[in-house]
Amino acid sequence: QKEVEQDPGPLSVPEGAIVSLNCTYSNSAFQYFMWYRQYSRKGPELLMYTYSSGNKEDGRFTAQVDKSSKYISLFIRDSQPSDSATYLCAMSAGNTDKLIFGTGTRLQVFP
Amino acid sequence: GAGVSQSPRYKVAKRGQDVALRCDPISGHVSLFWYQQALGQGPEFLTYFQNEAQLDKSGLPSDRFFAERPEGSVSTLKIQRTQQEDSAVYLCASSIPQGARTEAFFGQGTRLTVV
Repeated sequence: QKEVEQDPGPLSVPEGAIVSLNCTYSNSAFQYFMWYRQYSRKGPELLMYTYSSGNKEDGRFTAQVDKSSKYISLFIRDSQPSDSATYLCAMSAGNTDKLIFGTGTRLQVFP
Repeated sequence: GAGVSQSPRYKVAKRGQDVALRCDPISGHVSLFWYQQALGQGPEFLTYFQNEAQLDKSGLPSDRFFAERPEGSVSTLKIQRTQQEDSAVYLCASSIPQGARTEAFFGQGTRLTVV
């Protein structure tokens, strides 16, 4: 069993929909939780960064961390075709530690 | 440049050939990571440098893989006697600790195809 589990999708939604992306993990030492977006043939870029449990909002994006359930989520409101990409959850135990990534969920937003 | 630069972008190697992949991190970034991303998978950690010191190489899949960062800036990942299972995108990331938040910036990767 992988340390981080993520549904690979693909997920196809119409423009304007609310998208929910999720990851579960097994290592209780993880304290830093991130969501990366990766466009085709590009490197991952950081979208959201959360330390420990709680919610964080940035524009159309909201990240949630529930450490008691070992479950993290990313919500995208008013999704746009430009949001079409692979979304990777990542986590680490320490501030400068290696990142452990999920498999990535491929999202397609159609007009 | 402003971002992490990797070269070459694409590399085709014959099985058994040695390859060297280069990473130019963002200037001043202390930490440098190498990840391997197989098709349809998330990146998997290979190795980590802090300046010139290789602090963690637990993710290197075999002794055919070797990484160095001799002057604490540019890093090279070398793969000897390449095998088909080495085909993947190799990503480099750099970061500088900023209090409670450390953001790793990734390069575009080198896509290695072993034929």
